[in-house]
Order: sequence, then structure tokens, then C-alpha cells
Amino acid sequence: QSVLTQPPSVSGAPGQRVTISCTGSSSNIGAGYDVHWYQQLPGTAPKLLIYANDNRPSGVPDRFSGSKSGPSASLAITGLQAEDEADYYCQSYDTSLSGYVFGSGTKVTVL
Amino acid sequence: EVQLLESGGGLVQPGGSLRLSCAASGFTFSTYAMTWVRQAPGKGLEWVSGISGSGGSTWYGASVKGRFSISRDNSKNTLYLQMNSLRAEDTAVYYCAKFRGSGSHHYYRMDVWGQGTTVTVSS
Repeated sequence: QSVLTQPPSVSGAPGQRVTISCTGSSSNIGAGYDVHWYQQLPGTAPKLLIYANDNRPSGVPDRFSGSKSGPSASLAITGLQAEDEADYYCQSYDTSLSGYVFGSGTKVTVL
Repeated sequence: EVQLLESGGGLVQPGGSLRLSCAASGFTFSTYAMTWVRQAPGKGLEWVSGISGSGGSTWYGASVKGRFSISRDNSKNTLYLQMNSLRAEDTAVYYCAKFRGSGSHHYYRMDVWGQGTTVTVSS
């Protein structure tokens, strides 16, 4: 059971907008710790997609955006493309566990 | 180019030991904290362990504390994970990753990842 809860899957047609939620608690996201998002394409290592809630590393398209409010965070993908089919994970720090925690992961399918 | 290359994975019997290595290049290794993350077959990501740039601070996930030990050799630009008392549930792809961030390590993100090395614990 992951500390951070994500929907198992989301889907959308090319060009549409999809969002992925990441729900935590007062010991992690709600405690003010940053949320980071990773994209894992099939058969590859994860890649940093969004850091510190709403920042994009160099090279990440601006179709990807992040936000955080209270004990939750969201990743939005606008203008969905076939190459966005992947698993997406949120990550934060949990003070009760004294360690880093990942969300359960969300599979994005482009219809 | 920043690169991380893991090695040392393989098949080991329950109760056995294994040491993973992660060779780093393209950045000043000693400046950055590093971490290990694993992914069991068909499952999500699980944080395993982390270490500060100097090696003076180490952190462990609850499932491996007391069995795994993280270390680094800054003269060789290499990160290690010593895994003892291995269990079937330790079977996973193990990734090393570079931490990045400022201030408290609680806010670190994993900005560069290796390709992973596979550990299988089975009799």
C-alpha cells in the first residue's frame, strides 16, 4: 500500500488534456514537502518530469505541468501525444517514515 | 554527459548477499547525494536507501533497514549497495539515481537515473 495515492490509470484521445492526482497526508505533502513527478516509458528507467511541485527540467515540453494544494498534487498533460503513453509516479518525503515515498503509479493510455 | 551505470545484479539464494555498484561520470560525484530505488516485477517504485555527498549521512527505507548498507567511494566515483539476508521480496530492478536539491535533503529530487540492474532472489 503506497503512502501516496494515485489513480491506477487515465486515458485520453490525442490532443486532449488529462490530469493525474497524487493524494498524501499531513506527514508528507501536507507537511509542506515538495512533490516531484517521474515518467517511466515502457522498459526504461524513470525520468524526472516535474520537480518542486511545478518546475520543469530543461528539455521537458511545456505540455507537462504540476501543481500542489494542501495534502495533494496534480500532474497535467495538455495536447496529449502517443509518445506520452507511460507510467507516471509522484514522489515526496514522509516525516513519519523518515524516508522518501512514491505514489502507486498511474498508467496513461492514449486512445 | 551525466551517466550512471549499475552492475552487480544476479541470481542469489534466499539468505544470501550481493553488492551492487553504480559508476558515475559527467559530474562532480562527491558534491551530490545519491540514492537507490527498486522496482519489483510489474510493480511501482520503492525508495531503498540514500547517502550524502560526503558519505557521512545515510538513510534507509523500513523494508531494508538493518539488512542493506549504502556506501560510496568518491575517489572512484562509485556508489555501492551491500545487500545481506536477501529475501524473495527483494527481487527487483535496482536503480541508482543522483539526488539534486538545496537545503534539507527532505526536498531532494532524483534528477538522473541509471538503466538498472536486476536482482533475483530464489532457490
